[in-house]
Amino acid sequence: EAGVTQFPSHSVIEKGQTVTLRCDPISGHDNLYWYRRVMGKEIKFLLHFVKESKQDESGMPNNRFLAERTGGTYSTLKVQPAELEDSGVYFCASSPREWRLAGLDTQYFGPGTRLTVL
Amino acid sequence: AQKVTQAQTEISVVEKEDVTLDCVYETRDTTYYLFWYKQPPSGELVFLIRRNSFDEQNEISGRYSWNFQKSTSSFNFTITASQVVDSAVYFCALSETIKAAGNKLTFGGGTRVLVKP
Repeated sequence: EAGVTQFPSHSVIEKGQTVTLRCDPISGHDNLYWYRRVMGKEIKFLLHFVKESKQDESGMPNNRFLAERTGGTYSTLKVQPAELEDSGVYFCASSPREWRLAGLDTQYFGPGTRLTVL
Repeated sequence: AQKVTQAQTEISVVEKEDVTLDCVYETRDTTYYLFWYKQPPSGELVFLIRRNSFDEQNEISGRYSWNFQKSTSSFNFTITASQVVDSAVYFCALSETIKAAGNKLTFGGGTRVLVKP
């Protein structure tokens, strides 16, 4: 079974440009999460999809970030326009849906996309 | 709000030594889950263990063991007889169960373990 994949693995852009990150979750996983780790800080939650619906986007830093999951399969995270403080590693994770076992939700992570904004 | 603290930022040991990683958490929830993930140099976060708040039994998996103590809000991780391949960053994480439809993780800052041959 293929794991969570992310593309690109590394992106270097200039301030003001747009970047789109992609995440392909494990096949059949309804839950998809985005996290990021900026330099020297903890990994922070950004948002959570259940299928194509945004369940929780409380961690999105501002309206320059737009996440989509059309069709409930892969997801994209667009940053427009990118700022210097957006540099960091963006992780995607997925988990199966278990309605009756609230909280029993092991998230499996991808390798991350390292974003550098110059 | 929930919080996870990993006080040790980096630990360096010589191969075959034991190493213990500390994790202390804060939560208002009575039902929650704790996790450990390993991040090897390749970058991905590898799931190691999940433990729910009702199960305080310690767990052993090969050279890995976990000590969950609810009374001190700690979930420590020990690597016995460390090997060079254990070199990685290890993250402790907490998930509350307020929502039924999947839960965000709160991570600690991570502990970098360097095992020297």
